[in-house]
Amino acid sequence: TQLLEQSPQFLSIQEGENLTVYCNSSSVFSSLQWYRQEPGEGPVLLVTVVTGGEVKKLKRLTFQFGDARKDSSLHITAAQPGDTGLYLCAGALSGSARQLTFGSGTQLTVLP
Amino acid sequence: SQTIHQWPATLVQPVGSPLSLECTVEGTSNPNLYWYRQAAGRGLQLLFYSVGIGQISSEVPQNLSASRPQDRQFILSSKKLLLSDSGFYLCAWSVRRSGRTYNSPLHFGNGTRLTVT
Repeated sequence: TQLLEQSPQFLSIQEGENLTVYCNSSSVFSSLQWYRQEPGEGPVLLVTVVTGGEVKKLKRLTFQFGDARKDSSLHITAAQPGDTGLYLCAGALSGSARQLTFGSGTQLTVLP
Repeated sequence: SQTIHQWPATLVQPVGSPLSLECTVEGTSNPNLYWYRQAAGRGLQLLFYSVGIGQISSEVPQNLSASRPQDRQFILSSKKLLLSDSGFYLCAWSVRRSGRTYNSPLHFGNGTRLTVT
């Protein structure tokens, strides 16, 4: 059973469209991170959210941490081909010394 | 600035052969070090992590092992590779802080694509 479920698994959209990617769990996380990975490279950190209800913006990307700290979303406005990549969420379980748990990823393709 | 080097970038090995993947970090001291494996286009599975020289924690029992002979060097090994060991192996580091270090951001290398034939 995957601790962090990401949806959709695959997403293909046209340049200029908006999209939202979800990261859901039944567990509570003390913090949640989002990474983007391009083919043949390692993931690169985009943002860390730590407070329930927190919203962070990174240019056209908006990240939200759920009030109960069990879920998160990534919204991209006016997607561009450069946004193409594998988006991964990773969480640190609240009250646990376990290492980060990664979601299964969302593969985003933005067509020109 | 900190950098992480991982090599080789690609590797093709026959079943039953040994494996040694090396990872080194520069520009930081006392980092936490990690080895992950990633199936194609999917999430990351933590294999090993280390909070110090000679200190290795294994997350998943398998025929792989890890060693940390120096503060900024992390090695992933196997005595005999299996077909199922094929995958994309990623090394990462994070800042070591006292207390809760497991939610520190990870900094990844560019990975090694291992194909066992």
